[in-house]
Amino acid sequence: AQTVTQSQPEMSVQEAETVTLSCTYDTSENNYYLFWYKQPPSRQMILVIRQEAYKQQNATENRFSVNFQKAAKSFSLKISDSQLGDTAMYFCAFMTETSGSRLTFGEGTQLTVNP
Amino acid sequence: GAGVSQSPRYKVTKRGQDVALRCDPISGHVSLYWYRQALGQGPEFLTYFNYEAQQDKSGLPNDRFSAERPEGSISTLTIQRTEQRDSAMYRCASSLVGRQETQYFGPGTRLLVL
Repeated sequence: AQTVTQSQPEMSVQEAETVTLSCTYDTSENNYYLFWYKQPPSRQMILVIRQEAYKQQNATENRFSVNFQKAAKSFSLKISDSQLGDTAMYFCAFMTETSGSRLTFGEGTQLTVNP
Repeated sequence: GAGVSQSPRYKVTKRGQDVALRCDPISGHVSLYWYRQALGQGPEFLTYFNYEAQQDKSGLPNDRFSAERPEGSISTLTIQRTEQRDSAMYRCASSLVGRQETQYFGPGTRLLVL
């Protein structure tokens, strides 16, 4: 079975500081795609960043970057210079080539950025 | 064009009633997905389409749930004889081709079954 684990149900960070959200996953496949989605209080589901497993270089999007460790099946999200608008639930998700395009999500990490 | 849209945004219904949830994907997106998200949990896959063809419906919890996309654009998720356990956020997403493509989500329909 393919699973995603987010071991931190809640985290908090001071504005302008850096925070890292952890995610581990389990799959026997070699080719897959990893995602972080953000769900703010409005409950929209917004793509934050995407990583292809075949790429060695970690993905970055402005203040958001990932630390992808394929051997360890780890995919953490680093948020630099945290802003109040980053307060949200963050979901890690992945998709494999044989999963029929379905995304498997973790349970989420609620991040609160404090002023 | 505009993002994925869903309607209604909120639906309150009584147990035993049928409900139809609508999804309008991003223009030009071939693939369309339905997920269900319980409060405090991540979304769970229900079904998906490429064009009008339903490719995978293995996530539908039982035969009260069905989905269609007759013209390869707008999709409807129908729940018959609703039960209280059906209360959840129902999310639609779309993507360009399917496999390996990023899925973009709509705002969701919050369903409450009384």
